[in-house]
Amino acid sequence: QKEVEQDPGPLSVPEGAIVSLNCTYSNSAFQYFMWYRQYSRKGPELLMYTYSSGNKEDGRFTAQVDKSSKYISLFIRDSQPSDSATYLCAMSRGSKGQNFVFGPGTRLSVLP
Amino acid sequence: DVKVTQSSRYLVKRTGEKVFLECVQDMDHENMFWYRQDPGLGLRLIYFSYDVKMKEKGDIPEGYSVSREKKERFSLILESASTNQTSMYLCASIAAGDSGYTFGSGTRLTVV
Repeated sequence: QKEVEQDPGPLSVPEGAIVSLNCTYSNSAFQYFMWYRQYSRKGPELLMYTYSSGNKEDGRFTAQVDKSSKYISLFIRDSQPSDSATYLCAMSRGSKGQNFVFGPGTRLSVLP
Repeated sequence: DVKVTQSSRYLVKRTGEKVFLECVQDMDHENMFWYRQDPGLGLRLIYFSYDVKMKEKGDIPEGYSVSREKKERFSLILESASTNQTSMYLCASIAAGDSGYTFGSGTRLTVV
């Protein structure tokens, strides 16, 4: 079993839809949870960062962490064609970065 | 705007060549990382460095080495390139206690 599982997609939605992206993990020691967005032929950029369980909202994006279920989600409201990208979840025990574990990414297409 | 700059976007090298991938950051970050990204496998950590002249092996260091002679520069070296090292290589940096990586745009290396 991989440490972090993520459906690779592709996921296609119409513009304006609510998008739900998810990751599951097996290591209960993970405390820090991140979502990165990666446009084609670019490096990933940090979208959301959360510590421990709970919700965090930033504009149209909401990150949820359920540590009891080992499940994290990213919701995108009012999705736009510019949201079309690959979304990577990442998690770690500490914040230094050397033990970040990434999911393989979900490719999202938002159709106009 | 802070940046991590990778010297080449695309490289084609022959089997057996020694390959240098360069990464420079202008954020005075202590920690720098080299990942490779392959479809379905996500990002895998090759090497990282906490400080000048310091290096630590990641999850897949075989066939690679690194050099960090200056704080802003972290080089990845493929001692003798092989076709299974064809991949997207991503450099990242993070400050101590910071909340997430800043990635470079990546170098797509093809070994023929």
